[in-house]
Amino acid sequence: KAGVTQTPRYLIKTRGQQVTLSCSPISGHRSVSWYQQTPGQGLQFLFEYFSETQRNKGNFPGRFSGRQFSNSRSEMNVSTLELGDSALYLCASSTGEETQYFGPGTRLLVL
Amino acid sequence: GESVGLHLPTLSVQEGDNSIINCAYSNSASDYFIWYKQESGKGPQFIIDIRSNMDKRQGQRVTVLLNKTVKHLSLQIAATQPGDSAVYFCAENVGSSGSARQLTFGSGTQLTVLP
Repeated sequence: KAGVTQTPRYLIKTRGQQVTLSCSPISGHRSVSWYQQTPGQGLQFLFEYFSETQRNKGNFPGRFSGRQFSNSRSEMNVSTLELGDSALYLCASSTGEETQYFGPGTRLLVL
Repeated sequence: GESVGLHLPTLSVQEGDNSIINCAYSNSASDYFIWYKQESGKGPQFIIDIRSNMDKRQGQRVTVLLNKTVKHLSLQIAATQPGDSAVYFCAENVGSSGSARQLTFGSGTQLTVLP
């Protein structure tokens, strides 16, 4: 089975712009979770989608949003980018129960 | 808030020795724990997991121990190899089966294997 894929792998944006990141889960997995990883804050949970519904949300501002499509693929969007949004954004998929498998991440740099 | 933390930020071991990476958690409601390995430039890779109704689980060269009394997890790697060099994270999964779940990660331990 192919693993979790994320696109793009690298992205450079400027402050005030918006960005959309994409995640394709492992075939058959209906749950997709998003995490932000920074040197200062570590790995932090953003949100989880299951069957196109957001089931859980972390403590991030409303500029961070996401959605999931009927084929389980997910996107996350960050609007009005700030310098502090520079991070590795990780997507993880699971059957919806427990073990989450991570993709390689999208490295976002905000200038 | 509740959090998962690691005791040591770095660990250096000689190749062939055993490694022990520790983790403390504070959420007594956590019922599932996972160890991940993250190499530079890659996403976290699943190593082994354990449910709260177990106190030990073994995989290939790895063993996870769970002590619920003191809320402590450890990852033991037998015969550590250069390819084991990475950052290791423990994570706790909060939530019951079928409901929303999220992982809370520790800060990570950098394992360096010395030749």
